[in-house]
Amino acid sequence: DTEVTQTPKHLVMGMTNKKSLKCEQHMGHRAMYWYKQKAKKPPELMFVYSYEKLSINESVPSRFSPECPNSSLLNLHLHALQPEDSALYLCASSQERPGVNEQFFGPGTRLTVL
Amino acid sequence: GEDVEQSLFLSVREGDSSVINCTYTDSSSTYLYWYKQEPGAGLQLLTYIFSNMDMKQDQRLTVLLNKKDKHLSLRIADTQTGDSAIYFCAEIRYSSASKIIFGSGTRLSIRP
Repeated sequence: DTEVTQTPKHLVMGMTNKKSLKCEQHMGHRAMYWYKQKAKKPPELMFVYSYEKLSINESVPSRFSPECPNSSLLNLHLHALQPEDSALYLCASSQERPGVNEQFFGPGTRLTVL
Repeated sequence: GEDVEQSLFLSVREGDSSVINCTYTDSSSTYLYWYKQEPGAGLQLLTYIFSNMDMKQDQRLTVLLNKKDKHLSLRIADTQTGDSAIYFCAEIRYSSASKIIFGSGTRLSIRP
């Protein structure tokens, strides 16, 4: 199984809603990532979890709250978002050890904030 | 600078070769990558090159690395309509964890 799955595929939410994005992998990878991608732009790193601990937070606003319940799951909790947060949110995982360190990406959740 | 740079667009005729160029920033990157993103999809690793190599060939793909100039290129031979996508070069940086920094992406379009 070389797949990273993300749910939901699409999400529309109001600025007062609370929602969560989910990501799952069963490749035994110990690093998991959240990226934000705006249209016609490269993915921007938001968070990195390494061995289930948050190791990188790229100065992301607190309205985005990541959670790694176990080595296979990664969540992104959303609260009080702004319309400019509308984007494609990508999850990725990798082995996190010396070597090629290929990141496997999920298909993304397309988020629209009204 | 901090950015990994690429030209934004490339248009080639079907059957011709495509060459996508990239300038990266971190000379200590051990690996450099080319990712492909098709419309509405996540990113897929196409190929990579280890920093002590000058060239890597993988079927229709050839990667050239010039470490002195921090220049990376991807050549796609016999370009097909299925190659239409955005191509991102990327470098790896190490801090508290490894992270991949993507270039701006080159949109490759194929004309008949």
